[in-house]
Amino acid sequence: GESVGLHLPTLSVQEGDNSIINCAYSNSASDYFIWYKQESGKGPQFIIDIRSNMDKRQGQRVTVLLNKTVKHLSLQIAATQPGDSAVYFCAEKNTGNQFYFGTGTSLTVIP
Amino acid sequence: SQTIHQWPATLVQPVGSPLSLECTVEGTSNPNLYWYRQAAGRGLQLLFYSVGIGQISSEVPQNLSASRPQDRQFILSSKKLLLSDSGFYLCAWRQGIGQPQHFGDGTRLSIL
Repeated sequence: GESVGLHLPTLSVQEGDNSIINCAYSNSASDYFIWYKQESGKGPQFIIDIRSNMDKRQGQRVTVLLNKTVKHLSLQIAATQPGDSAVYFCAEKNTGNQFYFGTGTSLTVIP
Repeated sequence: SQTIHQWPATLVQPVGSPLSLECTVEGTSNPNLYWYRQAAGRGLQLLFYSVGIGQISSEVPQNLSASRPQDRQFILSSKKLLLSDSGFYLCAWRQGIGQPQHFGDGTRLSIL
């Protein structure tokens, strides 16, 4: 079956430092991955996605890395700001077109 | 641009009462629509999805049902709520294969 998990449930970083949030997936046939940010009391917000034919994709202050060999996904946030404090989820889509979501990592930015 | 609306934002209902949560999407046509439940500290659990009007797929047996009476409207219902139905319910839409899902701001449902 599918499993999408995060290595650390919580992460604290100093404002201005870079943050790295990790995610492991188990289905080597998954072909599409997404990172979401969820603030308290709100729905998940799309951050960035990556397809399995890529190993890196960059957005504004965020980079997603995909290592298909070890089935690992990471989200890097540059110059972390207090507004980045939230729960971050990864999601994978399998070839059956279903999405599976991780439990999330809570990021706290220390001013 | 596309937007998704869910209401109400919070709801407190007694056990045994009916439920109707509504979700609408604007700015797109023929979206895939989804209902999820999110328990505290746990991942999103897919409840229902729909690829078109009147087409509903259920992922888990439960006390809930879903309907899609219009292209951009998705409704989550129950005839008699249970305590275990408490949770955070999220609606999402997706334009097609290879596209991300976009979520509404959810409904916090508390059953007393």
